[in-house]
Amino acid sequence: QPVLTQPTSLSASPGASARLTCTLRSGINLGSYRIFWYQQKPESPPRYLLSYYSDSSKHQGSGVPSRFSGSKDASSNAGILVISGLQSEDEADYYCMIWHSSASVVFGGGTKLTVL
Amino acid sequence: QVQLVQSGAEVKKPGASVKVSCKASGYTFTGYYMHWVRQAPGQGLEWMGWINPNSGGTNYAQKFQGRVTMTRDTSISTAYMELSRLRSDDTAVYYCARDSASIAVAEFNWFDPWGQGTLVTVSS
Repeated sequence: QPVLTQPTSLSASPGASARLTCTLRSGINLGSYRIFWYQQKPESPPRYLLSYYSDSSKHQGSGVPSRFSGSKDASSNAGILVISGLQSEDEADYYCMIWHSSASVVFGGGTKLTVL
Repeated sequence: QVQLVQSGAEVKKPGASVKVSCKASGYTFTGYYMHWVRQAPGQGLEWMGWINPNSGGTNYAQKFQGRVTMTRDTSISTAYMELSRLRSDDTAVYYCARDSASIAVAEFNWFDPWGQGTLVTVSS
């Protein structure tokens, strides 16, 4: 089972909200991790969006609109990225990331968000 | 502005090695860890490891240990990633990315900025 699991795809309508999940493998305590989120559009490198550890410890990337927000769902052991007021330009791949054991990084498999 | 500029696309034969460069500008090169991340065609992001440009210390993902070497030349603010014994499944875009946290604070954080990517194609 991968360390981080993301749904392969998600579709939502313009103006609606999209909730992207990043589920940590069973046995890995969500509360101990800061979740980082990246957006990647075709033929471009990833762009850092935000990171979330708790409501008092979170960071918004430079120039990232406030309609992108992060949170955690302890009941499902998942990090959450919510994009509200969806726009066509939000159509992209989204990746979560954590710093895991031995100062190593793990990425989720990514979610392709379609705005239609 | 902070910028990472990578070397151009490469085509290699199986079994060969490739060395990708990443030239940094707009900040103190020795002050921030540099990471390498790759992305196979149509696939997700895969972290390969980091280098401390100040000390030269490295940490490689287990998958790549024994095949990857990350180095740097502080005189020209450039990091390098060399991958040996190439296979067809090493075909990917390779990115360098700077850690946002200063080495001085002894922690890791998000990756920003990223280089533009270097396509490495492994084909006989």
